Amino acid sequence: AQKITQTQPGMFVQEKEAVTLDCTYDTSDPSYGLFWYKQPSSGEMIFLIYQGSYDQQNATEGRYSLNFQKARKSANLVISASQLGDSAMYFCAMREVWSADGLTFGKGTHLIIQP
Amino acid sequence: DTAVSQTPKYLVTQMGNDKSIKCEQNLGHDTMYWYKQDSKKFLKIMFSYNNKELIINETVPNRFSPKSPDKAHLNLHINSLELGDSAVYFCASSHGLAGGSNEQFFGPGTRLTVL
Repeated sequence: AQKITQTQPGMFVQEKEAVTLDCTYDTSDPSYGLFWYKQPSSGEMIFLIYQGSYDQQNATEGRYSLNFQKARKSANLVISASQLGDSAMYFCAMREVWSADGLTFGKGTHLIIQP
Repeated sequence: DTAVSQTPKYLVTQMGNDKSIKCEQNLGHDTMYWYKQDSKKFLKIMFSYNNKELIINETVPNRFSPKSPDKAHLNLHINSLELGDSAVYFCASSHGLAGGSNEQFFGPGTRLTVL
């Protein structure tokens, strides 16, 4: 069974600092994908970044990068130069590539950026 | 030009009633999903559906049933509503059941309150 663990229920960070949100996962399938979603207070789910288990390079999307350490089964999200608008819930999720199931989500991290 | 839309956005109803939430996607995706987000923000897959296969999370009561009149729609019917059904329900869609970077696009969510 798949499992996602996010150990930081909440984080306070000063504006313009870099932020690392932790995510560890567990799966016995060698083919899987890892996702990060942002949920602002307005409630919508916004896709941020994707990392495949066979990808050689860490994924990057603008200010977002994914620190993928396969041996440790971790997929931490790094946000560079944080902004007030980054304040939101952040969810790590996983899906086994050949599974028909939906995403398995972690419990989320509530990030608050302080001016 | 909304990608995934849900109606209604808010739904308040009495215990015991039957209600439906509609979901439509205009992305040409062939797989759709329903997720439940509880009061602690935990997101859990309820159903995955494409024209070939319906995957039901075993923890979902059979009072919940997805109905798909066509590939662009996956409606959620709930019978005999209970207090514990109060949550935010998200519809999502993606290309294909399997495949690595198949980002799931989420609808805006429907906040269901059962009184």
